[in-house]
Amino acid sequence: SQQGEEDPQALSIQEGENATMNCSYKTSINNLQWYRQNSGRGLVHLILIRSNEREKHSGRLRVTLDTSKKSSSLLITASRAADTASYFCATVLENTGNQFYFGTGTSLTVIP
Amino acid sequence: EPEVTQTPSHQVTQMGQEVILRCVPISNHLYFYWYRQILGQKVEFLVSFYNNEISEKSEIFDDQFSVERPDGSNFTLKIRSTKLEDSAMYFCASSELASGVGEQFFGPGTRLTVL
Repeated sequence: SQQGEEDPQALSIQEGENATMNCSYKTSINNLQWYRQNSGRGLVHLILIRSNEREKHSGRLRVTLDTSKKSSSLLITASRAADTASYFCATVLENTGNQFYFGTGTSLTVIP
Repeated sequence: EPEVTQTPSHQVTQMGQEVILRCVPISNHLYFYWYRQILGQKVEFLVSFYNNEISEKSEIFDDQFSVERPDGSNFTLKIRSTKLEDSAMYFCASSELASGVGEQFFGPGTRLTVL
């Protein structure tokens, strides 16, 4: 079974619109982190939210965490064409070491 | 801004050959990691390294893989006898704190192609 699953798998929006991506996981976590990956490139860290936090902001990014539902959402406001990328959530399981579990990703396309 | 670097960016090798992928983590980081991403699939954890030893490894990280920190700056992944299915992007990452506490910073990756 997958620890992290994002939905939707693909999302296409117009520039200026907001984009929301969701991540669900199965077991208790220490923290959850969101990453962006441009096609064929490395992973860029976006934001970390700890298990005792419910919401975090960073610029145009807003992340929420609902540990009771084992889910997180990433909201990108006022999207730009440069936001086109794949977005992944990664979890660190509670009481384990350093192993990251990545989700399958949401492919976001922002149309200029 | 400090960043993780990886060399080479692309490595082509024949099946059965040994390859060494190199990484220079961020200088004050203490935890180091290798991941791989087969084309079109999710990023998979291979191994974590702390205090000069492996702290965790996944089922993928079998006897053909090894990691080393040969000096104060480099962190290497060696694949002893490459197989076709080892073709993937390999990402190195480092973190100042353990994953349960802090974020991991990733390098740009090495694309390994096994022929």
